[in-house]
Amino acid sequence: EAGVAQSPRYKIIEKRQSVAFWCNPISGHATLYWYQQILGQGPKLLIQFQNNGVVDDSQLPKDRFSAERLKGVDSTLKIQPAKLEDSAVYLCASSLSREGRDEQFFGPGTRLTVL
Amino acid sequence: GIQVEQSPPDLILQEGANSTLRCNFSDSVNNLQWFHQNPWGQLINLFYIPSGTKQNGRLSATTVATERYSLLYISSSQTTDSGVYFCAVEPDYKLSFGAGTTVTVRA
Repeated sequence: EAGVAQSPRYKIIEKRQSVAFWCNPISGHATLYWYQQILGQGPKLLIQFQNNGVVDDSQLPKDRFSAERLKGVDSTLKIQPAKLEDSAVYLCASSLSREGRDEQFFGPGTRLTVL
Repeated sequence: GIQVEQSPPDLILQEGANSTLRCNFSDSVNNLQWFHQNPWGQLINLFYIPSGTKQNGRLSATTVATERYSLLYISSSQTTDSGVYFCAVEPDYKLSFGAGTTVTVRA
């Protein structure tokens, strides 16, 4: 079974530029998550989708971050404009449902460096 | 929100040694997972263990939900066990991670 796919794996941009990340969850998984992991810390949830609807985006900095999950499968996370403090690894995860008892599986992440 | 505390923060082991990592959490949870983050940053699922005991090879885990803690046991450690171990709990449909335990296994 294929795992969660993410691209690109690495990205370096200047501050105030925009960037987008892509995620393809495990086939059949209804719930998709985006996490931000700053160096030395555990991942922090940014946004959670159930199919193509947003379940929780309370931690998403909406003035600069946006995310969508069209057709309930792939998802993109965008940052515009980027700030230095956005340098982090962005992890995508998926789970079978949203029942609160499902195991989450993570992709390899995208490492973003903002200069 | 829920508090997740992992101990110890750092652990240095000689190859072949055994160790125990601990995760304490401040509220009841529906889900608890242990992950190993390898040097390339990939989060590897170790255990999905909201309660009870599970074993997978040299690793085992126990969660005592009523007392709000979980333990991860590493036996006969190998250099490939090096990395950061995260505990994550799900009280309300989203995972909250601890700060992790950094394990270094020396040959």
